[in-house]
Amino acid sequence: DVKVTQSSRYLVKRTGEKVFLECVQDMDHENMFWYRQDPGLGLRLIYFSYDVKMKEKGDIPEGYSVSREKKERFSLILESASTNQTSMYLCASNSGSQPQHFGDGTRLSIL
Amino acid sequence: DQQVKQNSPSLSVQEGRISILNCDYTNSMFDYFLWYKKYPAEGPTFLISISSIKDKNEDGRFTVFLNKSAKHLSLHIVPSQPGDSAVYFCAATSGGQGAQKLVFGQGTRLTINP
Repeated sequence: DVKVTQSSRYLVKRTGEKVFLECVQDMDHENMFWYRQDPGLGLRLIYFSYDVKMKEKGDIPEGYSVSREKKERFSLILESASTNQTSMYLCASNSGSQPQHFGDGTRLSIL
Repeated sequence: DQQVKQNSPSLSVQEGRISILNCDYTNSMFDYFLWYKKYPAEGPTFLISISSIKDKNEDGRFTVFLNKSAKHLSLHIVPSQPGDSAVYFCAATSGGQGAQKLVFGQGTRLTINP
């Protein structure tokens, strides 16, 4: 069974901090994704990666960057956290035409 | 600009009856559609999908209908069970089943009452 693990379930950070959200998958998937989920807006794609060191912007990349140094790990970076980045962050992975498999999410609060 | 819209934030259905969740889209380039189900404190899980070359896809109690001319799809659950209580998201993409950029709707919270 596919396992997508997000390192933290809850995270509280301060405005201006650099924040790292980590995601690891154990199924050798080439594609990995970062979404944020907000009430009334559904899930919105921030960035995705289709191979190691490769990345593409999603629909809302502003204020975020990503890193994929190893195939199994995809990191989301908030360079200078702001209160409007308080959200639920979801990581997903897949291979080829398979449906995306999601982790359980990280609820991030920026104070 | 919300390209995929789920206009009902919530829906309440009696156990054993049919649940119908609706989804509208505006982008005529979308050619593959998916439904995901999400329980609290868990990530979304894939439920069922449909390609634009079909108008219906069935998997057990779940059936998805696609009306391309109306740019509308619906998910039917029959009979509804208490374990179906969750938030349901529809998603769409262009480029077929292998395309990676999904656009999600806002979600509909389904509550099944005993």
